[in-house]
Amino acid sequence: GAVVSQHPSRVICKSGTSVKIECRSLDFQATTMFWYRQFPKKSLMLMATSNEGSKATYEQGVEKDKFLINHASLTLSTLTVTSAHPEDSSFYICSALPRTGAYNEQFFGPGTRLTVL
Amino acid sequence: GQQVMQIPQYQHVQEGEDFTTYCNSSTTLSNIQWYKQRPGGHPVFLIQLVKSGEVKKQKRLTFQFGEAKKNSSLHITATQTTDVGTYFCAGQTGRRALTFGSGTRLQVQP
Repeated sequence: GAVVSQHPSRVICKSGTSVKIECRSLDFQATTMFWYRQFPKKSLMLMATSNEGSKATYEQGVEKDKFLINHASLTLSTLTVTSAHPEDSSFYICSALPRTGAYNEQFFGPGTRLTVL
Repeated sequence: GQQVMQIPQYQHVQEGEDFTTYCNSSTTLSNIQWYKQRPGGHPVFLIQLVKSGEVKKQKRLTFQFGEAKKNSSLHITATQTTDVGTYFCAGQTGRRALTFGSGTRLQVQP
C-alpha cells in the first residue's frame, strides 16, 4: 500500500524558534497534500491544503505567515512553524492524495508531535 | 462550511458487547471514510463508502452509508480489547480535504 513518511516524529523546541516538518509520499506522486493538527483527545482539524507548484490554501483562522507550507515536488511538502509558542504544541499530521486513482483515499503520515517549551 | 458530527463522544463496553458510532454531515457527501486511531498513533484508514445506502463488512465491523449520503454508522459486533481506540468518520466532497468528525473513543473492559 501507499506509504507516507513524516520527519521528525517528535520535536521539542524553545519558544521563538522555527520548526520544519517534512511530509513525503514514498511510493506514489501526490499533487495534493493536506496538513492537519490534532490537540489531545480532539479530532483532526484541517490547517491547509498544499498543491504542488502553487500556493497553499489555508483554512479560516490559520495564519499563513506563521505556518509556512511549501510543496516543491510531487512527493514532498513541508510545514514550517515559525516563531513557535507553547500554544503551538500539538500533533501535526499530513496526508497525501495520490495523483491517480479512482477513489479519494488519502494516506496519512505517522504524525509529528511538537512540544514548544 | 461543511460540518460532521459524531456521537457518542465516548463509550465504555464490556468485552463481547456490541458498539455503534454514528456520523452525520451537514451537507451531502461524495464519500465517507472511517479511520481508527490508537492512543499515541495516527489515523489508520478502515474503509470508504461511496454509494447511497452502501453497506460494507470487515469481519466484525459493519459500515453503512445513508440513502441521502449525509449519515453513516460503524457497528462492531462482540467487541474485543484490540478494538480500543478512537474511531473517526471523515466526510469528503470531491477531491477536497476530509472533514473529520469529533471521534468516538471506545474503551473495552476485559
